[in-house]
Amino acid sequence: NAGVMQNPRHLVRRRGQEARLRCSPMKGHSHVYWYRQLPEEGLKFMVYLQKENIIDESGMPKERFSAEFPKEGPSILRIQQVVRGDSAAYFCASSLLVLETQYFGPGTRLLVL
Amino acid sequence: KNEVEQSPQNLTAQEGEFITINCSYSVGISALHWLQQHPGGGIVSLFMLSSGKKKHGRLIATINIQEKHSSLHITASHPRDSAVYICAVRDDKIIFGKGTRLHILP
Repeated sequence: NAGVMQNPRHLVRRRGQEARLRCSPMKGHSHVYWYRQLPEEGLKFMVYLQKENIIDESGMPKERFSAEFPKEGPSILRIQQVVRGDSAAYFCASSLLVLETQYFGPGTRLLVL
Repeated sequence: KNEVEQSPQNLTAQEGEFITINCSYSVGISALHWLQQHPGGGIVSLFMLSSGKKKHGRLIATINIQEKHSSLHITASHPRDSAVYICAVRDDKIIFGKGTRLHILP
């Protein structure tokens, strides 16, 4: 049973480009969470999705950021027109039920030049 | 004041020592998580608890709901326990502490 998978593991973008981060939850998990860890800072909640629905996006910046979790395929975190301040590690986690243990992916390290 | 406070921020100890990391929170919660982040950055969920105590190997986690306080203990610590330990509380969303950086010397 594969764990949570994220790709790419490392992503380099120039300012103004788009970044797409993918997360495949553990098999059978329908709850996906995205977190951001800025350099030298703690983890911050961004968005919580359940298949095809955004349940809570209160931690996600209103502009340039969007997330989806389609019926088929991985969850996608999309950052448009990236800026240097978007450089961070982005972690995805999944759970079987909403109040169950979350299992984390290895993260995507985004570097904006 | 942060909603989740961890102490200490940094801890260096000798191999074999008993380690305690504390977490205090100020919000109502439905559960509390302890996570371990390795030097390479990967995150592992250690415990999720809403009352009492849980044990897994050399790790023990306790929570006191009335006091809004949780502790993570490591018995017979080992250099491979060196990591950042993160407390996170959840109600309708998850709030993370800043982490405790633990370094176990051989």
